[in-house]
Amino acid sequence: QVQLQQSGPGLVKPSQTLSLTCAISGDSVSTNSAAWNWIRQSPSRGLEWLGRTYYTSKWYNDYAVSVKSRITINADTSKNQFSLQLNSVTPEDTAVYYCARALWRRLGSPIDYWGQGTQVTVSS
Amino acid sequence: QSVLTQPPSASGTPGQRVTISCSGSSSNIRSNTVNWYQQLPGSAPKLLIYSNNQRPSGVPDRFSGSKSGTSASLAIIGLQSEDEADYYCAAWDDSLIGYVFGTGTKVTVL
Repeated sequence: QVQLQQSGPGLVKPSQTLSLTCAISGDSVSTNSAAWNWIRQSPSRGLEWLGRTYYTSKWYNDYAVSVKSRITINADTSKNQFSLQLNSVTPEDTAVYYCARALWRRLGSPIDYWGQGTQVTVSS
Repeated sequence: QSVLTQPPSASGTPGQRVTISCSGSSSNIRSNTVNWYQQLPGSAPKLLIYSNNQRPSGVPDRFSGSKSGTSASLAIIGLQSEDEADYYCAAWDDSLIGYVFGTGTKVTVL
């Protein structure tokens, strides 16, 4: 059974960096079959996919166009976890953030495991 | 902002059939497979249907999915009280180069 445990601050000041971590149990971040995603949900924007990282001989990342200039997703194999960094946040980045596993690496793969969600509020 | 459009709400009495539509375009639904998620209040979404019409292990067979052209549908046959939730379709979009979700449909069991 795969479990994803999120951690990170719930309050970030405008213009600062949002940082969240997702610890994986029951699978490996460097598996050749899955991809590791970040998704957020807000009343104004609905469910929004932010990006993913996956390993196949080397690490790859795909990012949503809407956040591409501000986002970094990294994997830490020593801790079996992956992280999200979103720079220069504004109140529009206020949302519940989820880490999630995509069953396969191919584009559009179903998301079969989700973290518990972290409410992040951007406010001074 | 979503490129996948769903009706905001749907309802039915226990035992009835409810169908939820998901309207997209040639760059998403026509070209790629559709997945459906169920989100109970206060919880993360849960995978309900993948690859247009496949049910993950543990999902009751009263849930079924289909796709035709630029649209997809989720049917709940034999509605139960525990099916009251929000439902989202999702697919990869080749133009946006991203995984896109539908606007969501809230199902109410009367």
